[in-house]
Amino acid sequence: DIVMTQSPDSLAVSLGERATINCKSSQTVLYSSNNKNYLGWYQQKPGQPPKLLIYWASTRESGVPDRFSGGGSGTDFTLTISSLQAEDVAVYYCQQYYTTPSITFGQGTRLEIK
Amino acid sequence: EVQLVESGGGLIQPGGSLRLSCAASGFTFNHYSMNWVRQAPGKGLEWVSYISSTSSAIYYADSVKGRFTISRDNAKNSLYLQMNSLRDEDTAVYYCARDASAGATDYWYFDLWGRGTLVTVSS
Repeated sequence: DIVMTQSPDSLAVSLGERATINCKSSQTVLYSSNNKNYLGWYQQKPGQPPKLLIYWASTRESGVPDRFSGGGSGTDFTLTISSLQAEDVAVYYCQQYYTTPSITFGQGTRLEIK
Repeated sequence: EVQLVESGGGLIQPGGSLRLSCAASGFTFNHYSMNWVRQAPGKGLEWVSYISSTSSAIYYADSVKGRFTISRDNAKNSLYLQMNSLRDEDTAVYYCARDASAGATDYWYFDLWGRGTLVTVSS
């Protein structure tokens, strides 16, 4: 299975500042035939289910604020929140869907307000 | 309203069985592949099982293979997970999750999740 490793495990950022979460896969999730990275990001707030934020590494899900952006390719990816809002406090997970059905998630990154 | 609602969780002894249900509403259920994903207390997400829109393809994580059975009833807009030979390590919130594709090719990322049902395996 592809192992997804997120860093850091937890992060504290001031309101209005930028937050960046990293995700590294143990092998590439870039499919060369269509040049797509099979990588998604989810947000999970306390007591709630995960919510899809980003897919294909950089495509924002409908309704997701544009302060959220995804980047990277191959094995290294980032989720960036350009200006942190109070409602962004959550745990964030990356997920690879390159190897199906053995999809895997990162261990999660807890984002808090400094 | 587009939603998924899980039920059937509870406290069960090791070795016991439990059947989870997921009721779908607000969308054309038989157009979508469905999955179960679980989350142990304070832990991350683990994919458990997949079923295609017509039930023609089914997959399981190695950790549950041979013990869990996924099924669906498109006439009832429902997804199920029969869990047998339960172990302590099966303790988790179980979410049903919809594949993001309504077409012939699954995407394997999930755009709709239920709120989950808690399964606790303990003596």
